Order: sequence, then structure tokens, then C-alpha cells
Amino acid sequence: EVQLVESGGGLVQPGRSLRLSCAASGFTFDDHVMHWVRQAPGKGLEWVSGISWDGRIVNYADSVKGRFTMSRDNAKNSLYLQMNSLRAEDTALYYCVRAYSTSWSGYSDFWGQGTRVTVSS
Amino acid sequence: SYVLTQPPSVSVAPGQTARMTCGGDNIGSKTVHWYQQKPGQAPALVVYDDVSRPSGIPERFSGSNSGNTATLTISRVEAGDEADYHCQAWDSRGDHPVFGGGTKLTVL
Repeated sequence: EVQLVESGGGLVQPGRSLRLSCAASGFTFDDHVMHWVRQAPGKGLEWVSGISWDGRIVNYADSVKGRFTMSRDNAKNSLYLQMNSLRAEDTALYYCVRAYSTSWSGYSDFWGQGTRVTVSS
Repeated sequence: SYVLTQPPSVSVAPGQTARMTCGGDNIGSKTVHWYQQKPGQAPALVVYDDVSRPSGIPERFSGSNSGNTATLTISRVEAGDEADYHCQAWDSRGDHPVFGGGTKLTVL
């Protein structure tokens, strides 16, 4: 059974940092591009960052570029999102998302349940 | 960046057909995917590559894409289909996925 389990969310003050993790199981992790997608309360989906199967290519939304760093450890079947200089507008549910293959532009075929990040003083 | 536009809401009676649109500049030249998100749940893929269904998705769900509009059609709508539906395409300039704002389907 495919599983993506996010952790690391919580309440944090503006300007502080948080590191999200995603533990993958039930599939061959390095056969897939991975993404982080977030959803602010009552809003739609917003792509945050994506990483190639081998970690060599990483891309970011303009809204987080320079503040967030995405990485993966294929030996540990894990995905990470280091979030620095957090802002109120980063408040959202953060989903770990599997792309269907190593193809960079493919669709996403499995989503974790998300971890909530709240940025507030 | 590439923008996808979805109507905020669509309402339909049980047994009828629901059509949800996703507008974008020449979206017919891109491939579009659709995700269903029920309240309190993570999104789930219901149509990929414009017209294909993942295993387990009923044939009642179908997709089309032409010109400036992609459409998700749900035939013989059931109460359990009530959810938010999000379209997604690829922004080739930014080299990343882009989502529409989502459409809330209400089954009357």
C-alpha cells in the first residue's frame, strides 16, 4: 500500500523556521518525481516545490524561492522541505505529492494527508 | 505564469450530468488532469492526460480538452460526488504544475 506521511508542521512565529518531512512507503521512492503542494484555509491548491527522482533538479514557486529548500534522501525514502523566514501567507496545509513517474511534467497520482503550518505571532 | 480559471461552484440534481470547466490560453495544446477533494480529505486523481481514468474511477467520470477549455463531466451524479474539483496543467515557461482555483460541486 502506497503511503506518504507528512510531519513537522505546527505553530511558528513570523520570521522563524520549520522543517517538514515526508516518509514514503509501499513503492520504489526513487522511481518518482516528488512535489510539495499547499492549500491555505478555504483556498485552492498551490504548487510549492518539486524535485527530480535523483534530487539534482529542484524548482520552486516564486512565492517561496530563496526561503524554502526542498530535498530528498532516497536511501531513507524521505522528502523534506526546509522553510525559513516564514510569513503569515505561508499558513496552509502542506501536502507531500507523488508524481506518477520520473517524468518531470507528469501528473500527480498520490497525495499524503498533509501537515498543517500556521504562521502567527 | 500560466493561469487556469474554474467557476467557483456548480450545482446539479442527483442523476443529472455535471460539467465543470477549466479555462486557459490555448489549454487544448496542453494535457490536463483533474483531482477530486472531498471535505477533510486529500485530493485524489480522477482524470489524467485529458481523458484517462485511474483504476477504480467510475466510467461516469470523463474529460475533454479543446481550444481554451478543458471539461470534467460527471454523468449520473450521486450524492457521494459532492466535492471540490481541481484542474491542473503544466506551466511550460515556469516548468512547474499549475492548478485552477477549484470548483465546488453541490449535489442538490
